[in-house]
Amino acid sequence: NAGVMQNPRHLVRRRGQEARLRCSPMKGHSHVYWYRQLPEEGLKFMVYLQKENIIDESGMPKERFSAEFPKEGPSILRIQQVVRGDSAAYFCASSPPDRGHGYTFGSGTRLTVV
Amino acid sequence: SQQGEEDPQALSIQEGENATMNCSYKTSINNLQWYRQNSGRGLVHLILIRSNEREKHSGRLRVTLDTSKKSSSLLITASRAADTASYFCATDTSGGYQKVTFGTGTKLQVIP
Repeated sequence: NAGVMQNPRHLVRRRGQEARLRCSPMKGHSHVYWYRQLPEEGLKFMVYLQKENIIDESGMPKERFSAEFPKEGPSILRIQQVVRGDSAAYFCASSPPDRGHGYTFGSGTRLTVV
Repeated sequence: SQQGEEDPQALSIQEGENATMNCSYKTSINNLQWYRQNSGRGLVHLILIRSNEREKHSGRLRVTLDTSKKSSSLLITASRAADTASYFCATDTSGGYQKVTFGTGTKLQVIP
């Protein structure tokens, strides 16, 4: 069991470009969560998805950010027209459907906007 | 705003000593979880305690939960240099689905 796989590990984008971050959940996990972490800070919730459904996107900025978890393939966090303030570590976590197991995290994608 | 606040923000101890970290939260919870993060890495789930539990053990870890005070503590006994990391408490707030909110973290340094 490979755990939660995120790629790329590091991503450099110029201002105005698009960033696409991928997350494959752990086998048997149907719930995916995205978090953002700024240096020396805790994790901020962004979005919670199940297959083909966005359950809670209350932490997502209203513009430029979108997320999906299609029936087939990984979950994608997309940031359009990136700005310097988007530079952060983006972590994906997955969990099984039933509560009480905690999350399994991926190693994160470190986005740097230059 | 963050649901959980850890105290202290940073802690430095000698190897072999015990380390205690505290977490306070604001709203009622379904469960509370502790995670460890090594520098530049993802988070690792350590232990989960449900709202109807008061204490839980896992190896050298001991977690307590006081729902009346909305607080939890994580005790690491006989610390090792490898325990050096940031520790986060995370609350799964009561509601229709699991949604975990993280605190600000305690940075622990264990000096060999």
